[in-house]
Amino acid sequence: DAKTTQPPSMDCAEGRAANLPCNHSTISGNEYVYWYRQIHSQGPQYIIHGLKNNETNEMASLIITEDRKSSTLILPHATLRDTAVYYCIVRRSGGGFKTIFGAGTRLFVKA
Amino acid sequence: EPEVTQTPSHQVTQMGQEVILRCVPISNHLYFYWYRQILGQKVEFLVSFYNNEISEKSEIFDDQFSVERPDGSNFTLKIRSTKLEDSAMYFCASSEALAGYTDTQYFGPGTRLTVL
Repeated sequence: DAKTTQPPSMDCAEGRAANLPCNHSTISGNEYVYWYRQIHSQGPQYIIHGLKNNETNEMASLIITEDRKSSTLILPHATLRDTAVYYCIVRRSGGGFKTIFGAGTRLFVKA
Repeated sequence: EPEVTQTPSHQVTQMGQEVILRCVPISNHLYFYWYRQILGQKVEFLVSFYNNEISEKSEIFDDQFSVERPDGSNFTLKIRSTKLEDSAMYFCASSEALAGYTDTQYFGPGTRLTVL
């Protein structure tokens, strides 16, 4: 599985958009970009995933560059409850492939 | 919304004792996983399970560990003789594994295992 690089921490003001970057320059054609987050020591929570098109759901938007070597997770209106560690993960499609977690980005949303 | 559940939320045991951590995956899911997270460290893969067999295991998953799906709903992780270094949060996950689709893994809330 491809390696990802994320900044260790970021701050965001409450109500503003949080843009979390991720580099995955060695991504393969059959690998998807997944984002999870972990609040305190709770279980990782799935946010969104994509292959090459931009994706949006009720939680976030995912922007993937045309060459697929980087992506950005956007939380459009961050709240204090969005303070968490955010993981960008690249993984092959299909069942059974393990998820490899890095250190992620610790996002602090401040009032 | 369906979710993965785990019991107990916190388990305290003495070193050398056996523990069984329980998980109820999402009902139509076919792949099951265990991960662990030692305090302050990354989430680590332990094992994946499909069709009543282990699909993949990490080097952490040695002979002390075993997994089982004893019935149609539960998925368990057994640690035969616990060590101090087994103290961690243990997360169960499951995925649907439809052919031709991406396979999103959904995680449970975790069991905090404390070995004294």
